[in-house]
Parts: sequence; C-alpha cells; structure tokens
Amino acid sequence: DIQMTQSPSSLSASVGDRVTITCRASQSITSYLNWYQQKPGKAPKLLIYAASSLQSGVPSRFSGSGSETDFTLTISSLQPEDFASYYCQQSYSTRYTFGQGTKLEIK
Amino acid sequence: QVQLVQSGAEVKKPGSSVKVSCKASGGTFSSYVINWVRQAPGQGLEWMGGIIPMFGTANYAQKFQGRVTITANESTSTAYMELSSLRSEDTAGYFCASLGDSYAFDIWGQGTMVIVSS
Repeated sequence: DIQMTQSPSSLSASVGDRVTITCRASQSITSYLNWYQQKPGKAPKLLIYAASSLQSGVPSRFSGSGSETDFTLTISSLQPEDFASYYCQQSYSTRYTFGQGTKLEIK
Repeated sequence: QVQLVQSGAEVKKPGSSVKVSCKASGGTFSSYVINWVRQAPGQGLEWMGGIIPMFGTANYAQKFQGRVTITANESTSTAYMELSSLRSEDTAGYFCASLGDSYAFDIWGQGTMVIVSS
C-alpha cells in the first residue's frame, strides 16, 4: 500500500498566520492527492482535491500544491474556525490511504 | 444533493460482530463508490474498504481482509459494513463516504460509534 506521511503532526499558530502542512507519498501518485479538515465529533470535510482544486464552498484562503510525491496545504490567513485536524489522502490507488493527520491548535 | 445517513451507536462484546448501515439518498446509488473509514478515539483516519453497488464487488485494506465484509443493497440504497471477531481495539467511529467524480471522498455519513467492551 502507498504510505502517506504528513508533517508536522501538530502545529500552534495564531489567527492571521499563514500555515503550511506537508504530505509525502511513498511513491508517485501524480496529482491524486486530497485534503480534508475534521473538527472534533464531526465527519471529515473535503477541502482540496486533485492536489490543487478547491472544493465548492471552501474559502479561498485554503490552497494546495504539489505533484508526484510531495504536496502542501496552505492556509493563507488563519481564521478561528480553521483550528481543526487536517488529513491528506491519496486516491491514486483504490486502496486509499490517509496521512496520520496534523492538529492545528491556537497559540 | 447526495446524503449518507448511518445507523446508530453500538455496544458489542469481544468476539462478536457488528453491522453498520449507510443509507444514501439524492442520487443514483448503483453508480456510487461507497467507502468505509474508521477512526479510533484520538487517532487518525483509516480506510477499511469500499464497494461499487453496480458491480457488487468490494475491495479491502489488507489490515482488515478476512474480518470485514462490505455489501450493498441497491433496492434500499443502503451499504453495510460488517466487522467480525471484535476486540477492544475496534472501538472507534466508523464513517461511510462516497467517492466523487473528483476521486475524493466528497460526501460523508455522520459516523457510527462502536464500543467493544466486556
């Protein structure tokens, strides 16, 4: 199975900060990389698909980039509602795998 | 708008089985790709397997092979995930999610908590 490695596992930041989360795949997944946001007690929510496409309804402060094995999720100016956990996921293989997650906390 | 609604929380004994349902509405069920994802308390997301109701065949994560069975009933637009030989480590939230045209899980059920305890 394709392994997905996210970093950092946790991150403290302030409202208004720019933050970046990285995700590395164990083999090339071209652009089949998705990002999800999850808040406590809730189902994950799709933010970015195909590495850089913004899901409908998601604020434009979220952006994604990368290809092959290295990917990033950037939040340009953190808002209070952005403090949550974030997961990358590859959909290159139908044995879909997730990164271990990044917990974004308020500094 | 496609919606996925899951069955309620379950408490099970070790060694038993649990079957969680995921009912779809608002689309053409047979063409969905329904996946199951679990999340242990305080842990990350783990893909378990998925099914295309139109074809009826499922694929599973290696970790769960032999212990999980995913099925779908087109007449009721419902997918099921059955996990057998339950142990305490299976205590988790279980989510169904639909794979969209974007090759991402764009629609999620609300989750079902399964507690395994003697």
